[in-house]
Amino acid sequence: GQSLEQPSEVTAVEGAIVQINCTYQTSGFYGLSWYQQHDGGAPTFLSYNALDGLEETGRFSSFLSRSDSYGYLLLQELQMKDSASYFCAVRASGGYQKVTFGTGTKLQVIP
Amino acid sequence: GAVVSQHPSWVICKSGTSVKIECRSLDFQATTMFWYRQFPKQSLMLMATSNEGSKATYEQGVEKDKFLINHASLTLSTLTVTSAHPEDSSFYICSASPTGRLAKNIQYFGAGTRLSVL
Repeated sequence: GQSLEQPSEVTAVEGAIVQINCTYQTSGFYGLSWYQQHDGGAPTFLSYNALDGLEETGRFSSFLSRSDSYGYLLLQELQMKDSASYFCAVRASGGYQKVTFGTGTKLQVIP
Repeated sequence: GAVVSQHPSWVICKSGTSVKIECRSLDFQATTMFWYRQFPKQSLMLMATSNEGSKATYEQGVEKDKFLINHASLTLSTLTVTSAHPEDSSFYICSASPTGRLAKNIQYFGAGTRLSVL
């Protein structure tokens, strides 16, 4: 099966940088992705890493280390609107296309 | 592109009744759609994988007869909660992905349906 662990809550100051970690255990690995979900809303895709290293998309960057089964999402120049829950996710092996989500991290950005 | 529409967004029903939720891919075809359930402040739990033209694949612990899934076309999947009870109250979300994007774990989600069973 799959399991993904994240810190439950993170608080950071507006304008700062915050890192949200994700450690995973999977049977087969097809890349790590990140989603953002505001309260009451639907998850939206942020980034995807299939290979080791850093992927940058604007203020958001995502890192992957397959040997450590670890990744993180880096948010720079935090804005109040970044307050949301962030989920890491992996795709299962065995021919299924389903995606398993992590436990989620609630980010609160404060002034 | 890649818009997924989900209806209704909110439904309140009496215990024992059935509720149908629709999930549509508006600008792409989706042979596979996914149904999730999310409790407050928790993660998304996959309930089932909906396959166009064939039976859905349910996750362990999900009752097939209670959560009926129909994927009759390449753009529509429905989830019917039969004989709903208060413990079925939750946020249900569907997702789908255009061919090629699923390989990058990119899923597009509907807005979700908040079900309250009285």
